[in-house]
Amino acid sequence: GENVEQHPSTLSVQEGDSAVIKCTYSDSASNYFPWYKQELGKGPQLIIDIRSNVGEKKDQRIAVTLNKTAKHFSLHITETQPEDSAVYFCAASRGSGGGADGLTFGKGTHLIIQP
Amino acid sequence: ETGVTQSPTHLIKTRGQQVTLRCSSQSGHNTVSWYQQALGQGPQFIFQYYREEENGRGNFPPRFSGLQFPNYSSELNVNALELDDSALYLCASSLEQGGVAFFGQGTRLTVV
Repeated sequence: GENVEQHPSTLSVQEGDSAVIKCTYSDSASNYFPWYKQELGKGPQLIIDIRSNVGEKKDQRIAVTLNKTAKHFSLHITETQPEDSAVYFCAASRGSGGGADGLTFGKGTHLIIQP
Repeated sequence: ETGVTQSPTHLIKTRGQQVTLRCSSQSGHNTVSWYQQALGQGPQFIFQYYREEENGRGNFPPRFSGLQFPNYSSELNVNALELDDSALYLCASSLEQGGVAFFGQGTRLTVV
């Protein structure tokens, strides 16, 4: 089955700086890669996703890049703000909603924005 | 907010008991998936229901079972609870089997 590794487990950055979180996956058949943000006491919230036919996608301060050859993808957050503090999860699957195999998640990155 | 609602929000059960968790999917979504999230870990896929049938399952024993109703709401049942079943249980709905998954706020289950 799919295995997703996520690094770092904790990331502390100054407000206004950029943050980068990296993930690798093992299943070459995976073609959908979402990123979720989870705040304390809440469920994961989809913030951006990318499909295998695209190398990069951007939405305001958030961008995701995908390297299918190397089987890794990254989340980039620019001009970080205090409300960006949360746990971020990457995931991979063979279909958007995970299909019959579901989404396989990384272990998460706790992003801390220092004022 | 995603429109996916789960109940109850918190639950405490004794080892060996049975529990039922409930999920109402976002309007128009016919696919529901359940995930278990242990403390400090990412969510793990339990199973998925599409049009009232289980159509995929992760690495969980048969004592984890589910149902999906004609209105696409869903239940997760866990029998013979073990201490390790303590976790946040998340429900996600999507428009179709391959649709983007939107999560509810979860049910925090504590087994004592």
